Amino acid sequence: DGGITQSPKYLFRKEGQNVTLSCEQNLNHDAMYWYRQDPGQGLRLIYYSQIVNDFQKGDIAEGYSVSREKKESFPLTVTSAQKNPTAFYLCASSITQGGHGYTFGSGTRLTVV
Amino acid sequence: EDQVTQSPEALRLQEGESSSLNCSYTVSGLRGLFWYRQDPGKGPEFLFTLYSAGEEKEKERLKATLTKKESFLHITAPKPEDSATYLCAVQGLINDYKLSFGAGTTVTVRA
Repeated sequence: DGGITQSPKYLFRKEGQNVTLSCEQNLNHDAMYWYRQDPGQGLRLIYYSQIVNDFQKGDIAEGYSVSREKKESFPLTVTSAQKNPTAFYLCASSITQGGHGYTFGSGTRLTVV
Repeated sequence: EDQVTQSPEALRLQEGESSSLNCSYTVSGLRGLFWYRQDPGKGPEFLFTLYSAGEEKEKERLKATLTKKESFLHITAPKPEDSATYLCAVQGLINDYKLSFGAGTTVTVRA
């Protein structure tokens, strides 16, 4: 079955450590996104990519980095510069931008220890 | 900037007690309004897309409607399995690279 796979499901980060969240899709979608979800708030866009080897900052990109070397993959790195990284991270994809809903992964819960 | 406000924040219903969720939005030209269902600890699951005022979509006990300023998600005769957080999102003509989400309405249906 086609879908989006996020791993790991749970991730723990120590102070000063960089961690990478994986996102893989087999839907042949061009566009991929990373959102952050905090309690009581709407999903907020971190980064998005419309084609391979191209990506753009979203609304809250500071302290995060991404790459898009393959159409299927869009990993997110949470760097030590992100001061409040504890959150639920969601990866999504869509056919093209404009008028289409997203397909979401199952999410990664990141906790600072 | 596109904005979405959902109300109420939480809704507790008895099984069979119908109700409605509200999604108010401001957007510079609407490309689409989306409803998602999210279960605890999981990613959102797509329910509906609405494109123009007056449009309605149905799926089992759920019905979504759209006006120029808001959308409603009606839950008819809910069952406990309808318990979830329902998210509303808009995509504008200008910021069409992203969906802007509301904070959601958490629905609990008691048997």
